[in-house]
Amino acid sequence: DGGITQSPKYLFRKEGQNVTLSCEQNLNHDAMYWYRQDPGQGLRLIYYSQIVNDFQKGDIAEGYSVSREKKESFPLTVTSAQKNPTAFYLCASSIGGASEKLFFGSGTQLSVL
Amino acid sequence: KQEVTQIPAALSVPEGENLVLNCSFTDSAIYNLQWFRQDPGKGLTSLLLIQSSQREQTSGRLNASLDKSSGRSTLYIAASQPGDSATYLCAAKAAGNKLTFGGGTRVLVKP
Repeated sequence: DGGITQSPKYLFRKEGQNVTLSCEQNLNHDAMYWYRQDPGQGLRLIYYSQIVNDFQKGDIAEGYSVSREKKESFPLTVTSAQKNPTAFYLCASSIGGASEKLFFGSGTQLSVL
Repeated sequence: KQEVTQIPAALSVPEGENLVLNCSFTDSAIYNLQWFRQDPGKGLTSLLLIQSSQREQTSGRLNASLDKSSGRSTLYIAASQPGDSATYLCAAKAAGNKLTFGGGTRVLVKP
């Protein structure tokens, strides 16, 4: 089945630690996105990539980093510079272009120990 | 900067009643508006996407309308069922291929 796979489902970060969230898609989509969701709030864009080897900062990129070395994969690293990382992280993809639907993974809940 | 608002934040209705969910946006220069459903602890599922040139989209019991001039979209769910209980989010896509999301409306359909 085609889809977007995020792992792990739950992740715990210690003080000063970097952690990486995985996002893989087999939909052959060009565009991929990372969003952060805080309780009771909408989604905020962290980073997005419209094509391999290219990515742009979203609205809240500070303390995060990404790479897009393969079309299928768009991992997100939450660095120690991100002081409030506890949130639900969602990865999404689309074919690309202005009018295409967005498809989401099932999310990763990150908490600080 | 685009801002998307969904009011109310929560809604409770008896089973069988029609649901009306509101979404407003400040910048009418959008490419499309998308409605999503989110179950607790899960990702988002796309329900309907309305292109900027369209006035409405329908899928089964769901109907979404778009009025760009007034900056509003409405999602109608006919004859609600307990399985419709979830959070519904709208998102407007503008230049730069970026989506701006509303805060969502949490819906509870009581049997």
